[in-house]
Amino acid sequence: DGGITQSPKYLFRKEGQNVTLSCEQNLNHDAMYWYRQDPGQGLRLIYYSQIVNDFQKGDIAEGYSVSREKKESFPLTVTSAQKNPTAFYLCATGGTGNQPQHFGDGTRLSIL
Amino acid sequence: EDKVVQSPLSLVVHEGDTVTLNCSYEVTNFRSLLWYKQEKKAPTFLFMLTSSGIEKKSGRLSSILDKKELFSILNITATQTGDSAVYLCDVVKGTYKYIFGTGTRLKVLA
Repeated sequence: DGGITQSPKYLFRKEGQNVTLSCEQNLNHDAMYWYRQDPGQGLRLIYYSQIVNDFQKGDIAEGYSVSREKKESFPLTVTSAQKNPTAFYLCATGGTGNQPQHFGDGTRLSIL
Repeated sequence: EDKVVQSPLSLVVHEGDTVTLNCSYEVTNFRSLLWYKQEKKAPTFLFMLTSSGIEKKSGRLSSILDKKELFSILNITATQTGDSAVYLCDVVKGTYKYIFGTGTRLKVLA
């Protein structure tokens, strides 16, 4: 089945640690996105990538990094510089603006 | 600065009631407006609106866009407990940028 796979579902980070969230898609979509969702909030854009080897910062990129070495994969690293990382992280793909986005099931990140 | 504002932020109704959710926007290079339903995990797509005044319907849900006044509404008639969710409004800017509102949390009581 075509879709987006995010892993892990739950992740715990210790102080000073970098952690990486995985996002893989087999929809053959060019654009991929990372969003952060806090309780009672909408989705805020962290990073997005329109094509392989290219990505742009979203509204809240500080403390995060990404790479896009393959079309299928867009991992997100939450660095130790992100002081409040506890949130629900959603990965999505998108088309050319005239298509809805497809979302993974999310990763819930907490601080130990 | 682009913004998408949803109201109300939360709503509690009883089964059978009709609800109207609002989304107003100020976004340059507007392309389309999307509505999603989010229960526990991934948002699921409901409607895409690109033209003013054309109602989209799916069962008990319907939505319409007003590009002159810059808003959209999502109506749910004869609500059921399964409609309890967060409803997200999402405005597409240009080709690749999606801007979300804060969402409306709907709770339907039996």
